Formats: sequence, structure tokens, C-alpha cells
Amino acid sequence: AQSVTQLDSQVPVFEEAPVELRCNYSSSVSVYLFWYVQYPNQGLQLLLKYLSGSTLVKGINGFEAEFNKSQTSFHLRKPSVHISDTAEYFCAVRKAAGNKLTFGGGTRVLVKP
Amino acid sequence: DTEVTQTPKHLVMGMTNKKSLKCEQHMGHRAMYWYKQKAKKPPELMFVYSYEKLSINESVPSRFSPECPNSSLLNLHLHALQPEDSALYLCASSQDQYTGELFFGEGSRLTVL
Repeated sequence: AQSVTQLDSQVPVFEEAPVELRCNYSSSVSVYLFWYVQYPNQGLQLLLKYLSGSTLVKGINGFEAEFNKSQTSFHLRKPSVHISDTAEYFCAVRKAAGNKLTFGGGTRVLVKP
Repeated sequence: DTEVTQTPKHLVMGMTNKKSLKCEQHMGHRAMYWYKQKAKKPPELMFVYSYEKLSINESVPSRFSPECPNSSLLNLHLHALQPEDSALYLCASSQDQYTGELFFGEGSRLTVL
């Protein structure tokens, strides 16, 4: 079975500073990778996904992530955060031929003015 | 239309009540999901429906009973719940259970007294 580890449970960051959220996965087969964001009292919204092709994936709201197969990582980055980026971020993985999406534990980003 | 709509947004019920959560999507997706999310935790998969048939039941107690009347609707019937069942219940859909990302609704916040 696949698993996902988000190495940071909380990341405080100042407005307009860059942020990186770390995600590592384990799987013996090819995987699809996703980052979702959850704002307070809301559902999950897809930020970006990696299915195949270019390892640098660009998503919504200025976020991007890089798939690194050798390090089994899929870290999320944003060069300059806004107050509105304060939210919970979940990395998720699914086997390429599988039907279960497994979430990491989440990283809470708190953007300070 | 890229929305998954869940009703009600909030539900309070006693342990002897019977209630239902409803989910609707009009994206032509053939897979629908129920997830349970406790506070400050990632979503946990409960059920997967594929082409209106139950595909995955993650050993969920029988007090939770899913139903998929048609390809656009997904219900979760609740009966004799326990206080520890209080959580955010998220519905999601995808193109099919092996393809594409999951689109989530805003969730139904359930409180069991």
C-alpha cells in the first residue's frame, strides 16, 4: 500500500516570503500525486496534480510542485505568500492503476503580516 | 459546472435519530466517494461508488449506510450514531475510480449529542 508523509505539521511564514511544504511518499509502483488546500470550514480544493510528463507542475494561486522520483518527493512551493494562503495543505497519492487516494497528515500554513 | 454540492451544511442529531446526508454532482463523473474528517486530521476514506455500485467499503460500521440512487446522487444514511462520529463528512467525485482528480464538496458538519 502507498503512504504519504508531510514532514511539517505547521509552517509559520511572513507575508511575501517564500514557502515550501515537504511531502514524501512510498510506493512500489507508479503513482499519481496531488496537493489539496483546505481553507477553514471548507472542503478540499485541488491546487495541482502530477500524473506524468514534466516533473515541474504549476497549479492555481501561484503554487508549483516538483516530482522527484529518486527521492520519492513532491514538495510544494510558492515564491511569495499572501495572508489569504493561510490554510491546511494536504499532499495525496494514488497508485497509477489504483482507486484509493491516500492523504498525508497535513501542513498548517499560517501567514503573518 | 465543476461543483459538488452537499446538504445539509450542518446537522445536529441525537444518538437515536435517523438522518441522511446528500451529495450531488453534475460533471458526468462515474465515481463518488464519502470521506470522514476529524478536526486537524486528514480525510479518511469511507466508501467508493463506481458506476452506481459500491466498490470500496473501508470497514465502516453499519450505522453508516451509503446509497447511490443514480450517477449524480450519493446519500449517506445515519442511524444510531455515537458522539465520536461527530466530524466533517466530505463527498467527492471523479471521472471514474481510476482516472482523474477528486472534486470535493464543502462538507456536512455533523454533531452527535
